[in-house]
Amino acid sequence: DVKVTQSSRYLVKRTGEKVFLECVQDMDHENMFWYRQDPGLGLRLIYFSYDVKMKEKGDIPEGYSVSREKKERFSLILESASTNQTSMYLCASSFPGSSNQPQHFGDGTRLSIL
Amino acid sequence: AQSVTQLGSHVSVSEGALVLLRCNYSSSVPPYLFWYVQYPNQGLQLLLKYTTGATLVTGINGFEAEFKKSETSFHLTKPSAHMSDAAEYFCAVTGSGGGYNKLIFGAGTRLAVHP
Repeated sequence: DVKVTQSSRYLVKRTGEKVFLECVQDMDHENMFWYRQDPGLGLRLIYFSYDVKMKEKGDIPEGYSVSREKKERFSLILESASTNQTSMYLCASSFPGSSNQPQHFGDGTRLSIL
Repeated sequence: AQSVTQLGSHVSVSEGALVLLRCNYSSSVPPYLFWYVQYPNQGLQLLLKYTTGATLVTGINGFEAEFKKSETSFHLTKPSAHMSDAAEYFCAVTGSGGGYNKLIFGAGTRLAVHP
C-alpha cells in the first residue's frame, strides 16, 4: 500500500513565523501535491512537483513556497504565517503519465496560526 | 477549464436507505472522474474512478457511480447505507492528456447516516 506521511497532525504557530510542513511518500511517485482544505471550498491546489527540484504553482500559491530536494520528500513553506493560513493541509502523490493515475493522500496537518 | 459542482453540502439518510450523492462537472476535454471519501481526522481515500470504457464503475465499500456524458454527471450511489458510511465525499475531475493529473475538486458533501 502507498504510504504518504505528513510529519505533524496538529501544529500551532504565531503570525510572522516561518512554518515548514513536511511530507514523505514511499512509493517512488514522481508527482507530489500540496492542497489546503477549507469548509465549503473543498480542496484547492497550492503547489505541485513533477520531479526533484521541479515545481509548478497551483491555484492559490500566494504566501507559500515549496521544496523538493529528494524524490520522496515534498515540503510546504509558509514564509511569514498569517491567520488566514489557518487550515487543513493535505499532501498527495501519484505516478506520472496520463491523468488517470489516482492521487494518494496523507492524513493531513491541521495548522492554526495565532 | 474544468469545474465540479456537488449538489448538497449535507445529505442525511437512514441506515439501510439508498445513498445518492450528486456530482456534475464541466470539462473541455474528455474527463477522468474520481470520487474520494474522507473519514474524520483522516486524509482522502479513493472510492472509485472513471477513465474510459464502461460507464458504470464499481468501487470499494459497495459504492458505484455512473458516467453520463449527456448530463455531464457522475453521481455516486450505494443501495443500502451503513453507519460506517458517515463521512465527507469529494468528486474530482481531471482532463485526459495532461501529464500532471491535476485534480479539480468539488466542495464536498457530508453524509450523515442515522439509525
